[in-house]
Parts: sequence; C-alpha cells; structure tokens
Amino acid sequence: AQSVTQLGSHVSVSEGALVLLRCNYSSSVPPYLFWYVQYPNQGLQLLLKYTTGATLVKGINGFEAEFKKSETSFHLTKPSAHMSDAAEYFCAVTLNEKLTFGTGTRLTIIP
Amino acid sequence: DAGVIQSPRHEVTEMGQEVTLRCKPISGHNSLFWYRQTMMRGLELLIYFNNNVPIDDSGMPEDRFSAKMPNASFSTLKIQPSEPRDSAVYFCASSRGQGGSYGYTFGSGTRLTVV
Repeated sequence: AQSVTQLGSHVSVSEGALVLLRCNYSSSVPPYLFWYVQYPNQGLQLLLKYTTGATLVKGINGFEAEFKKSETSFHLTKPSAHMSDAAEYFCAVTLNEKLTFGTGTRLTIIP
Repeated sequence: DAGVIQSPRHEVTEMGQEVTLRCKPISGHNSLFWYRQTMMRGLELLIYFNNNVPIDDSGMPEDRFSAKMPNASFSTLKIQPSEPRDSAVYFCASSRGQGGSYGYTFGSGTRLTVV
C-alpha cells in the first residue's frame, strides 16, 4: 500500500520568507513523487516531480523539493515567498499507475 | 496545446435532474481520470480509463454515477438522478502511458451545484 501525508493543513509565511511544506510518503517500492499547486477556481498544476536520478528536483516558480529515502520525505521549499504563491499545494505519490493525493496545504502569504 | 478541456465550467441543477459533465483530454494522452473535490473529502479518484477502456471504477460512489469514453478525444461523467450531496468540483485529468512517471494534466474543473 502507498499513501502520502501532508503535515499542516494551513501554513502562513511572511513575504520574502522561506516556504517549507512537508510531505511524507509510505511505499513498499521506490515511488514517483509529485507536487501540484491549485490556485482558486482552477485545476491542479504540476509544480515538479521526482521519478529517478537526482534527488533535488527543481520546478516552476522557484520551487524545489528533495527526495529523502531515509526519511521517506519529499518536502517542498522556496527560498523567498511571493504574494503570488498563495494557493493550495498537494503532494502526490504514484504506484500502479494511479496518483494518490495528500489532503493539501493551504499557503497564505503575509504582506 | 489547449490542455484538458472540461465543460461546462459551472452547472446548477435541481435535485433529481440528470447532469452530464464533459472532458476532452490532451491529444496523444491515452489515460483519462475523473476526480471529485470537496472540502470534506478532498480529492477523490472516481474512475480512470486507459486506451478508452475503464480500468478502475472503484471510486464511483454509487450507481447514479456513470462514465464513458467512446473515443480517445472525449469522455463524459453522468449523474442520474442528481442529489445535493453531489455538489462538488469535478476534475478531468489525462496522462501519457498510464501516468506512472508522467503525472497528470488537469482541466479547470466543473463546479456542480445541486439544489
């Protein structure tokens, strides 16, 4: 079985501060891992993904995530938050061709 | 590439009426997924197709829900009869292969309100 857990349903950071959104997964085999972003009244948009190779993955809008097998984690970071980063973020893991999503983390940016 | 196209964007209907949601996947993608998103349940996979064949419909909540994919460029999700608890945002997504390493491309969703 495989699942993904996002710690913190709401995260608030000040503009310019570090963004850290946490994701842990459970999988019996090496996983494919994804981060998606959802802006209000829109669909989910792929931010970045890890499949194989380099464990530090860079995505769009300055986000990156690091796959840490020993910690079963795939946390999402951005060095400096921007107001436009306010959205909901979903971590997802795939196994047997299906994506399973976490419950999401709503990111609020404080001016 | 126009992306995954869903219609309508918004649908308001009365309880008991039939509702049909439509999806056009990205050309060349051979897997298609229907999701439902609510505040209480988050994102739920309802059904997915590969090469137009339903592979897993275990997420379809009950017999009132049905989905078809008559060809590679079109899919429908039908609710008959609709109930207020079906109110949600319904997303369609498509992927190359069966989505394992590619991820999914989502449409903008259909916001369904059943009154």
